[in-house]
Amino acid sequence: GAGVSQTPSNKVTEKGKYVELRCDPISGHTALYWYRQSLGQGPEFLIYFQGTGAADDSGLPNDRFFAVRPEGSVSTLKIQRTERGDSAVYLCASSLNIGATEAFFGQGTRLTVV
Amino acid sequence: GENVEQHPSTLSVQEGDSAVIKCTYSDSASNYFPWYKQELGKRPQLIIDIRSNVGEKKDQRIAVTLNKTAKHFSLHITETQPEDSAVYFCAASGTGGFKTIFGAGTRLFVKA
Repeated sequence: GAGVSQTPSNKVTEKGKYVELRCDPISGHTALYWYRQSLGQGPEFLIYFQGTGAADDSGLPNDRFFAVRPEGSVSTLKIQRTERGDSAVYLCASSLNIGATEAFFGQGTRLTVV
Repeated sequence: GENVEQHPSTLSVQEGDSAVIKCTYSDSASNYFPWYKQELGKRPQLIIDIRSNVGEKKDQRIAVTLNKTAKHFSLHITETQPEDSAVYFCAASGTGGFKTIFGAGTRLFVKA
């Protein structure tokens, strides 16, 4: 596709449930980033991948969160036992390679935990 | 780790005036400083960036300055227009440019 695509665009889930958020980066981009944005705040770094490996997952808030990128392209952010505080917009971005100039963002997935 | 602070949180200017947004960062090893514009309900989009080997960069009505000694960088928008109204985020990449840390954002209102 022409840009970074995230699905679903909106997700409402009940507290305690498991959710998966998907990111399709721009074709050929080896670096992929996940951010979380709460209302009125800047994007908060969660994790980034270079290829298939998670190069830095220091931003993941706790062990309920993890992300995979098995083939070095599509990535899935997985949240177990969701809590109301997990409600936010989850943004994915990709760049040509690590340390490259521009990171292109997807439109985000708005997660609401009720 | 890196910490980025951004001021002001809200800025209101008259159309045609200039707007300045300032950021500070903590990690002296940071070497890449992008600025993003985010309109309501939309994704952040890069508007300008600067690397640590450059002190100033300009692109039409937008300019960015960097003071590495003071660890300050600023966004300058001249001749503001109503369509400049949005939230602007500064960011800094830590060592190796791998992990980009964002400021909290500045909501800019340009009054016609």
